[in-house]
Amino acid sequence: GQNIDQPTEMTATEGAIVQINCTYQTSGFNGLFWYQQHAGEAPTFLSYNVLDGLEEKGRFSSFLSRSKGYSYLLLKELQMKDSASYLCAAMDSNYQLIWGAGTKLIIKP
Amino acid sequence: KAGVTQTPRYLIKTRGQQVTLSCSPISGHRSVSWYQQTPGQGLQFLFEYFSETQRNKGNFPGRFSGRQFSNSRSEMNVSTLELGDSALYLCASSLYGQQAPNTEAFFGQGTRLTVV
Repeated sequence: GQNIDQPTEMTATEGAIVQINCTYQTSGFNGLFWYQQHAGEAPTFLSYNVLDGLEEKGRFSSFLSRSKGYSYLLLKELQMKDSASYLCAAMDSNYQLIWGAGTKLIIKP
Repeated sequence: KAGVTQTPRYLIKTRGQQVTLSCSPISGHRSVSWYQQTPGQGLQFLFEYFSETQRNKGNFPGRFSGRQFSNSRSEMNVSTLELGDSALYLCASSLYGQQAPNTEAFFGQGTRLTVV
């Protein structure tokens, strides 16, 4: 079957770095997405990876290893506003997005 | 430009009733996808519409249906509501839809449906 695994909850300190991991199993692969969702709000797009490697976008970076079925989202210089859920989603060969349950990130001062 | 608009924001229905949710995509976007979000389950894909045609469908029973109009606005209908249908229903719009995955999808704020 198709499956996405990511930790349920993580805690980090303001100013620090945190890495949120995601492993996936899909029928075919058309890319890996990361979205951020603040409580009570809509998910917002963070990144899309389809090739192996690291994509950097300001304080956020996303990494993909297709051979390992693995991705991570790296958040640097954490700010309180980064407290949110981070959703990992993989697109299968039918262009359907398979979503993880999300990782709730708690930032402490 | 205006974002994705979902109406209503909140809805309470009784078991057995039916409900229709609406999604207005960003102007110019032709694809609308619908998702169900429940705590601990993540987003579950319902269906995608592109230019008034259902292009993709998830594993939901036939009680869940949708349609898209010529102005790209989409509606989702759930008949014979069950308690387990209580969830946040999100729609996402994009220019070309899921078959052009490198185009960003924009989500609406969702409709929170409670079935009692």
